[in-house]
Amino acid sequence: DGGITQSPKYLFRKEGQNVTLSCEQNLNHDAMYWYRQDPGQGLRLIYYSQIVNDFQKGDIAEGYSVSREKKESFPLTVTSAQKNPTAFYLCASSVYRGLEQYFGPGTRLTVT
Amino acid sequence: GNSVTQMEGPVTLSEEAFLTINCTYTATGYPSLFWYVQYPGEGLQLLLKATKADDKGSNKGFEATYRKETTSFHLEKGSVQVSDSAVYFCALSDLQGGSEKLVFGKGTKLTVNP
Repeated sequence: DGGITQSPKYLFRKEGQNVTLSCEQNLNHDAMYWYRQDPGQGLRLIYYSQIVNDFQKGDIAEGYSVSREKKESFPLTVTSAQKNPTAFYLCASSVYRGLEQYFGPGTRLTVT
Repeated sequence: GNSVTQMEGPVTLSEEAFLTINCTYTATGYPSLFWYVQYPGEGLQLLLKATKADDKGSNKGFEATYRKETTSFHLEKGSVQVSDSAVYFCALSDLQGGSEKLVFGKGTKLTVNP
């Protein structure tokens, strides 16, 4: 079955540590996205990528970094510079930029 | 710029009640419109979409009609079930207007009681 996988589902880290969230898709989609969702809030775009080896900052990129070395993979690193990293992180992909997006199940990150 | 405005929640209904969640938009081009649903602890699922004016998207008993004259895309269902309890997001894509991203509303939480 085609889809988007995110791992792990729950992640716990100590303050000051970098952590990398995995996102893999086998839909052959060109574009991939990372969003952050806080309780009771909508989605905020962190980074997006339209093609391999290229990515753009979204609305809240500070304290985050990404890479797109393969079409299938778009990992997100939450660095120690991110002031409030505890949140629910969602990865998405679309056939082409601007079209409907398909979401993974999310990773809930807790930093203490 | 592009924007989506959804009715404030939460919305609480009894089973078999009629549901309407309002969504209006602002866009520079001719956007495509979407409704997504998010069940507790999960990612978003595409519920339905419409790509041009007067199109009606439908899925699982939910419907929404793309109204260009009122810039609206209201979500409706004739008889809700407990299993419809979730957060619903309206979104637009304005690729023709030069936007590469989806713009989401803030979400409306629906609770259906038995």
